[in-house]
Amino acid sequence: GAVVSQHPSWVICKSGTSVKIECRSLDFQATTMFWYRQFPKQSLMLMATSNEGSKATYEQGVEKDKFLINHASLTLSTLTVTSAHPEDSSFYICSAVPDRNQPQHFGDGTRLSIL
Amino acid sequence: GQQLNQSPQSMFIQEGEDVSMNCTSSSIFNTWLWYKQEPGEGPVLLIALYKAGELTSNGRLTAQFGITRKDSFLNISASIPSDVGIYFCAGQGGYGGSQGNLIFGKGTKLSVKP
Repeated sequence: GAVVSQHPSWVICKSGTSVKIECRSLDFQATTMFWYRQFPKQSLMLMATSNEGSKATYEQGVEKDKFLINHASLTLSTLTVTSAHPEDSSFYICSAVPDRNQPQHFGDGTRLSIL
Repeated sequence: GQQLNQSPQSMFIQEGEDVSMNCTSSSIFNTWLWYKQEPGEGPVLLIALYKAGELTSNGRLTAQFGITRKDSFLNISASIPSDVGIYFCAGQGGYGGSQGNLIFGKGTKLSVKP
């Protein structure tokens, strides 16, 4: 149980393009989903927390207009990197929980490369 | 942001050896979690600890939640090549972080020589 699917797993696009990443909980309803960013050889850094039906809560230093998060259903959250630039290249990982007292289960991540 | 102190940073061991890694924090957490991450993939939950002093096993893995709820260790017995990866500890809830949010250690990179 507790399977989280993330799509796409890998994307390469030109600078200035907007990229959407999907995160789905396959066998449970996720009231809360989290979005992380991970640079090579580093730990996961939380970008934002999204609750179904409400606005996401962004961590300090994360631009909400740059990283748009939508959590329109209990099984789907999306992260859109708007007008992406090379410095946005990174490994983006989502996680989901049925309630916030439960352990987070992670997707397989999306490798984003901006040329 | 706040992080847990995880050690060692990396380990190079021979297949069959036992492994031990630990995390400490200045803050109290309600839950301690251990994850394993392989290259190009997301972290996979190994063990979740909920009570101070709790000792939990998952196959060859054993983890304990410190009595003070400020530390935890993870042991791997009789290591095999597929144990290779980065192991992260994470604290959740309590005074260490807002409810539900995880605070991660920097990871322990494990290499196993056949």
